[in-house]
This record gives sequence, structure tokens and C-alpha cells, in this order.
Amino acid sequence: NAGVTQTPKFRVLKTGQSMTLLCAQDMNHEYMYWYRQDPGMGLRLIHYSVGEGTTAKGEVPDGYNVSRLKKQNFLLGLESAAPSQTSVYFCASSYYLAGEQYFGPGTRLTVT
Amino acid sequence: SQQGEEDPQALSIQEGENATMNCSYKTSINNLQWYRQNSGRGLVHLILIRSNEREKHSGRLRVTLDTSKKSSSLLITASRAADTASYFCAPYNYGQNFVFGPGTRLSVLP
Repeated sequence: NAGVTQTPKFRVLKTGQSMTLLCAQDMNHEYMYWYRQDPGMGLRLIHYSVGEGTTAKGEVPDGYNVSRLKKQNFLLGLESAAPSQTSVYFCASSYYLAGEQYFGPGTRLTVT
Repeated sequence: SQQGEEDPQALSIQEGENATMNCSYKTSINNLQWYRQNSGRGLVHLILIRSNEREKHSGRLRVTLDTSKKSSSLLITASRAADTASYFCAPYNYGQNFVFGPGTRLSVLP
């Protein structure tokens, strides 16, 4: 039982490049979330999903896209990376919307 | 969405002492959750307290909730060096997004 895993752990991009972050959970959770955390700040919600095939915008969705083609996977895409997207990205999942969230270990992304 | 505001921003205590951190929020909630984040790691859920509960315990952790004052507190008793981490509260109301505040950075000195 791995919980929530994220791939990759680290990535460096040049401005304008694209990439996809993968989140996988093996707990059969309906809800999945993508957050970003900047130094000295709390987590801000980018997008979330309430089930397979559904996604919704969070607090800071601009510049990101997501997809949930399979229940266990939640992908976060950056189509044209910008230095402002340098951050640590965390994925989380939960059984129900108001419930305990299980977090992945994070992906540290640097955009130069 | 509403953000919990943790207080203090930073706290240093000696091993064995108790640590108390507070969370304030602005609107009504259905529940409030506390999380811990060790440096460079993901958040770990500690306790969920519902709006109709006033106190909850889990091991050395005690959480209180005062909905009239829109505040919650997290008490860690007999602190250990391993408790060194950032602690976040997340007040939640149905239909809103989770928003995590900047957290309280706790340092437990040996």
C-alpha cells in the first residue's frame, strides 16, 4: 500500500517548456487535489477532482491543466512554464470532500 | 474559501515542554483539520474536529474548537525533537475549497 505517489520528485524546466506531473493513489479515493507551496506560505489549491473524468478549478488554476482519466491517477500539466510556477507541488487524495487528505511527497519544480 | 490563520508564526520550546498553537478563521465551518509538515515532506493529517465537537484527543495531541470565537488550538504535550515541524490548520465549509494558512513553525530543542 504505497498511499499517494508523485512523479517526478525534481524537475528543472526552461521558460516556455511543458511538462506533466503524475499523481497516483492506491486507496480508491474519489477526491484528488493538486496544491502548490511557495516558501513561507501555506498550500494553495490549483485544481481538484471529485471523481474519474471530472475536474474543477481551485484558488490558483491559471497556467495549469489537469486530467483524471483513471480514478487512481491525477495529472497536472504546465503547457508553457513560467518562472512564477517555480514551486513545490503536492498531490493529495481523500475519501470524501470534507475528510482527511493524504498527501504525496511533493515535486520540486524550478523554471529558469 | 476561507483560510485559517495560525498563531504564532514560529515557536521554540525545550524538549518536554508543552506547545500550543492557535488557529482563527472567519466564517462558519463544518470541520477543522490540523496537519503537520516535516521539512521537505508532504503534509500529514493529525486530527479532524467537527463543528459540534469541542475537544478531541489523539495521543499527545489535544485539539479544542470554539465556534463562538471562530478559533481552534492544538496542544502538543511533552514535546519531543521529532515534533519539530510546521503545523497547519484547515477550516472547512461545504462548497468551499480547502485553504491552508502559512502555518506555525515549531522547533523543539533538545
